[in-house]
Amino acid sequence: GENVEQHPSTLSVQEGDSAVIKCTYSDSASNYFPWYKQELGKRPQLIIDIRSNVGEKKDQRIAVTLNKTAKHFSLHITETQPEDSAVYFCAAKTGFQKLVFGTGTRLLVSP
Amino acid sequence: NAGVTQTPKFQVLKTGQSMTLQCAQDMNHEYMSWYRQDPGMGLRLIHYSVGAGITDQGEVPNGYNVSRSTTEDFPLRLLSAAPSQTSVYFCASSYGGTGLNGYTFGSGTRLTVV
Repeated sequence: GENVEQHPSTLSVQEGDSAVIKCTYSDSASNYFPWYKQELGKRPQLIIDIRSNVGEKKDQRIAVTLNKTAKHFSLHITETQPEDSAVYFCAAKTGFQKLVFGTGTRLLVSP
Repeated sequence: NAGVTQTPKFQVLKTGQSMTLQCAQDMNHEYMSWYRQDPGMGLRLIHYSVGAGITDQGEVPNGYNVSRSTTEDFPLRLLSAAPSQTSVYFCASSYGGTGLNGYTFGSGTRLTVV
């Protein structure tokens, strides 16, 4: 089955810096890769996703890149703000099959 | 449109008790899943369903049962609660189609087993 590894587990940056979170997956058939943001005590919320036929996707300050050959994908946040502080989860899905999550990255943005 | 509704929000059980966590969605989503979230372990899939009458096991199914008699509801049953089942439980749903769609999560149920 699919296995998703996520690094780093914690990431501290200064406001205005960029943050990068990386994930690798094991199943080459996986074709959908969402990213979720979870604030303390809240539910995970989808922030961006990418399908396997696309190499990069941007939405304002966030972007996701996908390298199918290496089986890894990354979340990039530019011009970080204190409200970006949260736990971020990557995930991978194979078509109709189950969605498997990484273990999460705690991002702390200091003013 | 309430989205994904989970009840109860908090629950304390004694070891050996049984209970059902409720999950309902009003978005006509085909896919529904149950996850548990433990510190440092991310979200682990318990059971999932791709439509009414169809369920399958996830990564950590032992001690849990599910059924999907309607599109809207996907209850999770704890058969005999154990302290190891203390966790935050999230229900999630998504549109089916190609399967390449993000999940919408409920607000979670925080369960403590003593």
